[in-house]
Amino acid sequence: DAKTTQPPSMDCAEGRAANLPCNHSTISGNEYVYWYRQIHSQGPQYIIHGLKNNETNEMASLIITEDRKSSTLILPHATLRDTAVYYCIVRARLGTDKLIFGTGTRLQVFP
Amino acid sequence: NAGVTQTPKFQVLKTGQSMTLQCAQDMNHEYMSWYRQDPGMGLRLIHYSVGAGITDQGEVPNGYNVSRSTTEDFPLRLLSAAPSQTSVYFCASSLWAGNTEAFFGQGTRLTVV
Repeated sequence: DAKTTQPPSMDCAEGRAANLPCNHSTISGNEYVYWYRQIHSQGPQYIIHGLKNNETNEMASLIITEDRKSSTLILPHATLRDTAVYYCIVRARLGTDKLIFGTGTRLQVFP
Repeated sequence: NAGVTQTPKFQVLKTGQSMTLQCAQDMNHEYMSWYRQDPGMGLRLIHYSVGAGITDQGEVPNGYNVSRSTTEDFPLRLLSAAPSQTSVYFCASSLWAGNTEAFFGQGTRLTVV
């Protein structure tokens, strides 16, 4: 699996957009980018995934650069409940599923 | 839907004891897996199963056994607990092996003394 690099921590004011970066310079053509988050020792929660096009759902937007070597998860209006550790993961869609988690980015949303 | 249910939520074991962590899902998912999470670290894959009767090892399988006799259940067995197995354990399931969205249980916090 390709390796990802994320900043260890970030802060964001409540109501503002939170932009979480992820570098995955060795990503291969069949690997998707996934984002999960873990709120205070709960089980991780799926957020969004994408291959090369930008994606948006009710939780977040995912922007993937044209060369696919990096991506950004955007929480458009962060709330205190978005305080969590966010994991960026790359893996192939087909075949044996191995979600390999790194240490993620700890996002702190403050009032 | 209950989703992924793990029991117990908390457990204290003495070194050398054995126990089974239970994981059940009611979503008819084929793929199930076990992770452990230690302080300051991400999740590490212990074992996984792509369907009933099929299991395989993940990153850190030593000291753990699994079996998958039904689609719904994927128990994790500690044969002889060691303090190094003190951790939070998460079970996850997804529709199939390559499926995008994995559902996680709420975790079992295990302390081995």
